[in-house]
Amino acid sequence: NAGVTQTPKFQVLKTGQSMTLQCAQDMNHNSMYWYRQDPGMGLRLIYYSASEGTTDKGEVPNGYNVSRLNKREFSLRLESAAPSQTSVYFCASRTSGGYNEQFFGPGTRLTVL
Amino acid sequence: GIQVEQSPPDLILQEGANSTLRCNFSDSVNNLQWFHQNPWGQLINLFYIPSGTKQNGRLSATTVATERYSLLYISSSQTTDSGVYFCAVLTSGTYKYIFGTGTRLKVLA
Repeated sequence: NAGVTQTPKFQVLKTGQSMTLQCAQDMNHNSMYWYRQDPGMGLRLIYYSASEGTTDKGEVPNGYNVSRLNKREFSLRLESAAPSQTSVYFCASRTSGGYNEQFFGPGTRLTVL
Repeated sequence: GIQVEQSPPDLILQEGANSTLRCNFSDSVNNLQWFHQNPWGQLINLFYIPSGTKQNGRLSATTVATERYSLLYISSSQTTDSGVYFCAVLTSGTYKYIFGTGTRLKVLA
């Protein structure tokens, strides 16, 4: 099992450019999440998907869109990147049932100039 | 919404020392996890512990849900324990995790 994978690992954008961050999990988890982590800070939830076909906003959704493509994949799109979106982005998935543990991908380091 | 506070914010230890990290939360939770973020940024699962006590090698954790806190114990610390420790909670009926601000630990050789 690869667990949770994210691509790309690093990305530099110019203000106004768009891009999509990809996330996939091979653990058959129902729920998936996107977080951002700014330097020296904790993680903040951008969007989540409780199950295939559903998505909901987290704490900081402005400037982002998501797509739950299928049970495995959950993508995050920046339509018009801004310097304030410079951050490390983490994707996570969560087990279902009575034991709800969250597992994280390795992160994508994004810089917007 | 629920507030999650961690203490201390920073901790410096000599190798071999023991430490206790605390996570306080302001409302009832049905899910609590502890994570270690290593110096390379990777988030590593330590414990899933909504209540009770668990141990894994030199690490152990206790959550007292009725009093709204959780403790992470690190014994005989090693330099590889350095990094940031986060707790994350989930309240009943939601899917939204809330993370604490973290405890930054540095273990000196």
